Amino acid sequence: KNEVEQSPQNLTAQEGEFITINCSYSVGISALHWLQQHPGGGIVSLFMLSSGKKKHGRLIATINIQEKHSSLHITASHPRDSAVYICANGGSQGNLIFGKGTKLSVKP
Amino acid sequence: NAGVTQTPKFQVLKTGQSMTLQCAQDMNHNSMYWYRQDPGMGLRLIYYSASEGTTDKGEVPNGYNVSRLNKREFSLRLESAAPSQTSVYFCASSAGLVAKNIQYFGAGTRLSVL
Repeated sequence: KNEVEQSPQNLTAQEGEFITINCSYSVGISALHWLQQHPGGGIVSLFMLSSGKKKHGRLIATINIQEKHSSLHITASHPRDSAVYICANGGSQGNLIFGKGTKLSVKP
Repeated sequence: NAGVTQTPKFQVLKTGQSMTLQCAQDMNHNSMYWYRQDPGMGLRLIYYSASEGTTDKGEVPNGYNVSRLNKREFSLRLESAAPSQTSVYFCASSAGLVAKNIQYFGAGTRLSVL
């Protein structure tokens, strides 16, 4: 069964801290996705990766295929980074299986 | 460039009423999806359409029907709404099957069934 587990479920940080969110999956992937859900509810795709590392601004996503594990890092966190971060893995039908999300709150 | 547009944004129904959630994308994407999001659970796939003219069941299809009207539009219908269908519904699209393609989401529809 294709399962996606995220940790932690909730995370509170002070502005400027380095943040790591973890994602483990049970079935080999074609690509692992990271998404951000804003407090207003909108969902945007941050990264899609199948190997190595990708960087966009202060966000970095890494993946270890052998260990079936991915991490999302945020450097120099800011209150505007407060959101729910979701990882998702490709399912057998070509769809995505989503984790339950990590709720991040960054305090000024 | 609107991306993925969902209507309505909010809806309250009584048990047994029917309604259709509309979704349209202007990115010429082949694949479209309907998800529901419930507290404490990840997004769950209701139905998807890999390409125009095809639809397939996802993880939680019971109580729903879909229509891929054309390449742009993918609607979700609740024939007889039940309180268990109270949820936030998201439509999404991607150029191809989403396991290998970035997915773009609509703003969501918050549905309450009383």
